[in-house]
This record gives sequence, structure tokens and C-alpha cells, in this order.
Amino acid sequence: DQQVKQNSPSLSVQEGRISILNCDYTNSMFDYFLWYKKYPAEGPTFLISISSIKDKNEDGRFTVFLNKSAKHLSLHIVPSQPGDSAVYFCAASEYNFNKFYFGSGTKLNVKP
Amino acid sequence: DAGVTQSPTHLIKTRGQQVTLRCSPKSGHDTVSWYQQALGQGPQFIFQYYEEEERQRGNFPDRFSGHQFPNYSSELNVNALLLGDSALYLCASSLRTGVNEKLFFGSGTQLSVL
Repeated sequence: DQQVKQNSPSLSVQEGRISILNCDYTNSMFDYFLWYKKYPAEGPTFLISISSIKDKNEDGRFTVFLNKSAKHLSLHIVPSQPGDSAVYFCAASEYNFNKFYFGSGTKLNVKP
Repeated sequence: DAGVTQSPTHLIKTRGQQVTLRCSPKSGHDTVSWYQQALGQGPQFIFQYYEEEERQRGNFPDRFSGHQFPNYSSELNVNALLLGDSALYLCASSLRTGVNEKLFFGSGTQLSVL
């Protein structure tokens, strides 16, 4: 039962352009969402989070948008850099559960 | 400030054997969660330990068990290994003080079952 879905396994973007990674969820009880970045042979690294009381959160080049009615969130990276090339996972949890459901990931390739 | 450390980094076992994986949480963290990441998939929640007790559990059989020690470090044990248990096992730590705590992950233990 896949409660968090990332339907694009891969994305290729030119350096300097915008990268948009998408994530959909089915559980309406989810109210906290995170994005993680993962390089090969390393553990996932936290990027940015958003709670359900917001619809946008920004941190430098990274912005996460949440559309609760559509059960959809997206991560925007502007401008994209070659060092951003990695696998990106979205994750979601219910209030104060700290039990996260992860999507299957999107592999981002930023071309110089 | 040491982050989350896991050992060993790689492990090869045969079917039916038992395995123990270890995790030390980030300094100051008191909660440890274990995740299994199969090839091409996202991490799947196994269980979470806090105050030396299993607090939450995912959809994994009883062959998967764990332990948390007074210093907050943790072990994951898997009995009667199956080929399908081959995966990257990730440990994540957090601080259980309030809502919306993010997880800090270790680099994982790559388990291969032959």
C-alpha cells in the first residue's frame, strides 16, 4: 500500500534552470512532509520540510509547495546546480508519530 | 559532533542465518528508527525505539526485532534470513521532544543474503 508516490523515476535538467520534483500522497491524516536528498553510498540528508498549516516553505534555492486539497507537494530547486544531482525522496507522517512513509524517489541529473 | 553511525557497512549472509546491525544515534538524540530500503524503492519503516522500548512498528514480521540500550544506541536483529531481506538498512535518530522532528540518517548497512 503505497501511501506516498513519486511517479517520475528520473528527471534531467540543465544547469541554471529550475528543477521541479513532484510527490503525491493518499492519506489525508498526513500533516508533516519532508524532502531528503541521497547520494550513492550515503544515507539520506534532510533538505526541507513543511507542515500542513503552510502551503509554502523556502530555504535558499529550495522551495516546497503543499497543495492539501490535491494531496500533492513539489520541490523546486532554482537555480539547479550539478551538485544537486542525486536521488530525492519525499516523506510524510501523521501528527507527532515520527513514523515516515517515503516515496520511491526521483533521480535528478543536472547537466553542466 | 558525531552524526548517526552504523556498523557494519556491508554484510553477506546465507539464507536461514541471523544478523545483528548496530546504530549509534546523533549526539543528544534519544529516539532511533530503523528503515529497510530495497533496490529502487524508498525507505520502509521497520520500528522505532524510545526509552528502551519499541514504540511503533511497521509491517514487518516478528523475525525483525530490536533493542535500545541506556545510552540510546540500538540494534536490529533479523532471524531466519530470506533472500528478500537483502537491502540497505538505515538507522535514523531524532529527538522526541515535540512535534515534527526530522530524522537524521546514518549511511546504512548493505545486507546481502545468498
